[in-house]
Amino acid sequence: GAGVSQSPSNKVTEKGKDVELRCDPISGHTALYWYRQSLGQGLEFLIYFQGNSAPDKSGLPSDRFSAERTGGSVSTLTIQRTQQEDSAVYLCASTGGRANYGYTFGSGTRLTVV
Amino acid sequence: SQKIEQNSEALNIQEGKTATLTCNYTNYSPAYLQWYRQDPGRGPVFLLLIRENEKEKRKERLKVTFDTTLKQSLFHITASQPADSATYLCALLRGAGSYQLTFGKGTKLSVIP
Repeated sequence: GAGVSQSPSNKVTEKGKDVELRCDPISGHTALYWYRQSLGQGLEFLIYFQGNSAPDKSGLPSDRFSAERTGGSVSTLTIQRTQQEDSAVYLCASTGGRANYGYTFGSGTRLTVV
Repeated sequence: SQKIEQNSEALNIQEGKTATLTCNYTNYSPAYLQWYRQDPGRGPVFLLLIRENEKEKRKERLKVTFDTTLKQSLFHITASQPADSATYLCALLRGAGSYQLTFGKGTKLSVIP
């Protein structure tokens, strides 16, 4: 597609439920990133996929968070047993594989855990 | 630990003036530094990249400088317009060979007509 697409744009969930967030990167982009942005905070790195390489999961805050990328394209970020502190905007970005091209971000999924 | 600081949370400027935003970093040896613009409810949009061996980069009304001795980048918007009002983020690679960007918290710029 023309840009990075994320769905849903907004998600309200009850504490303890699981949620899945989806990211469709730009076609042909080999690198895909997930970041989290909490109110008043900077972007927090979560996970990075590059081609067929093992993902860099070093930013995932707990084992309740996981992500996968199928067929080198679409990615899903799953949060199990959601907590109120998980409330944030989850941003996905893709690049052609080199960060010096700049990231192209989606508009994000605003997650609210009540 | 590695830190990126954008030392103004908010900056108000009169239309037509030059806005200058600052990004300072510690414990990095970045190959390059990037600047992004973020509007409310949207993801950041890439604006400019400057490499460690470049002192200055320009794009239309935007100018970025990079001083690796001071560990500082300055981002200038000349002839500022109300449409330039947004949050501006600087970002650095986490380390040599890394493709992961670490972002500052941003500076919210308001251009007053």
